[in-house]
Amino acid sequence: RKEVEQDPGPFNVPEGATVAFNCTYSNSASQSFFWYRQDCRKEPKLLMSVYSSGNEDGRFTAQLNRASQYISLLIRDSKLSDSATYLCVVKPPFRGSYGKLTFGQGTILTVHP
Amino acid sequence: NAGVTQTPKFRILKIGQSMTLQCTQDMNHNYMYWYRQDPGMGLKLIYYSVGAGITDKGEVPNGYNVSRSTTEDFPLRLELAAPSQTSVYFCASSYLEGDSGNTIYFGEGSWLTVV
Repeated sequence: RKEVEQDPGPFNVPEGATVAFNCTYSNSASQSFFWYRQDCRKEPKLLMSVYSSGNEDGRFTAQLNRASQYISLLIRDSKLSDSATYLCVVKPPFRGSYGKLTFGQGTILTVHP
Repeated sequence: NAGVTQTPKFRILKIGQSMTLQCTQDMNHNYMYWYRQDPGMGLKLIYYSVGAGITDKGEVPNGYNVSRSTTEDFPLRLELAAPSQTSVYFCASSYLEGDSGNTIYFGEGSWLTVV
């Protein structure tokens, strides 16, 4: 089983649609979770951290389900500018992991008019 | 407003050649990293450094070397380039460990092709 696994997609949705991505992780002791966004031929950028209680940032909602070891990202009212690859990122639980983040392969989202 | 700067952005190497990818950051970050990203894959950590003079291997260090003589600079050296090293390379830095509240900042990437 991969440490972090995502559905690669691609997801093709019309503007205004709601779309959700899931990501599963294998290490049950993992403590920190993130969603990064990566535009084509660009560097990844932090979209949002994922907290145990779930968190929302405008049209974006992140959820964590520890029992099932998955995190999710919900995008409401999709915009053309949301088209990108969304990377699920998990940080190992031990101290001294020094940025040894584990990246999923990414989910490609295309929003069309 | 530079952040993390990588050079070169694009490079074609012949098998067996060597080169150095340069990385510098102006945010006074202690932690620096080199990742590689193959097509359709997530990023994999090559090497990292927790401060000047300290480096350590990541997940995929074979074929690479690094040094950290200053806080700002973290060059990545490829010795004897191989086609398997064709990839996109990202340098990154963070003030502390990459944890919530301590964002990792990435450079714009270096596209390397080995032929």
